[in-house]
Amino acid sequence: GEEVAQTPKHLVRGEGQKAKLYCAPIKGHSYVFWYQQVLKNEFKFLISFQNENVFDETGMPKERFSAKCLPNSPCSLEIQATKLEDSAVYFCASSQSVAGQLAEAFFGQGTRLTVV
Amino acid sequence: GENVEQHPSTLSVQEGDSAVIKCTYSDSASNYFPWYKQELGKGPQLIIDIRSNVGEKKDQRIAVTLNKTAKHFSLHITETQPEDSAVYFCAAFMDSNYQLIWGAGTKLIIKP
Repeated sequence: GEEVAQTPKHLVRGEGQKAKLYCAPIKGHSYVFWYQQVLKNEFKFLISFQNENVFDETGMPKERFSAKCLPNSPCSLEIQATKLEDSAVYFCASSQSVAGQLAEAFFGQGTRLTVV
Repeated sequence: GENVEQHPSTLSVQEGDSAVIKCTYSDSASNYFPWYKQELGKGPQLIIDIRSNVGEKKDQRIAVTLNKTAKHFSLHITETQPEDSAVYFCAAFMDSNYQLIWGAGTKLIIKP
């Protein structure tokens, strides 16, 4: 597709429950990024993929967060045992590399996760 | 690591006037600087970007300037219109780790 598709738009989970978010990158884009945007607007990098391989996971709270990008499937971000502070909007972006440089990153509309 | 500071946090201008948002970055290895516009309830959308081998770039009413020596870059919007009202984010990017480091955002309000 020509846009990054994120599902669901909204997700409500009780504290301690699992949350799973999905992202379909733009066809042909080999890089996928996940960002977390909390109430004060700041974006926090979580993880990036080059095709199905983890490229950079330095932003991931590894104890409860995991992510995958498998061939022929949407990418996913999963949070085990959600906490109140996980409440945020999670954005996925995709991009392609052109002549060794990363081109424009296109963002999805985000998934708003509310942990109650 | 890289750190990006963005000012002001809120900017209110009269319709038709110009708006300027400024960012500074800390890591001289950063080589790509995009600006994103985020409207309420939507994802960020790229409005203009600049690479470190260029000092200025313009696209209609929007321009970005980069001063590599001082490590700062600015967004300029001329002849502002109501639809320019949004939150604007600057970011710095390094090819070494493909990470975007974001500024804290500027809420731009265009007064009619």
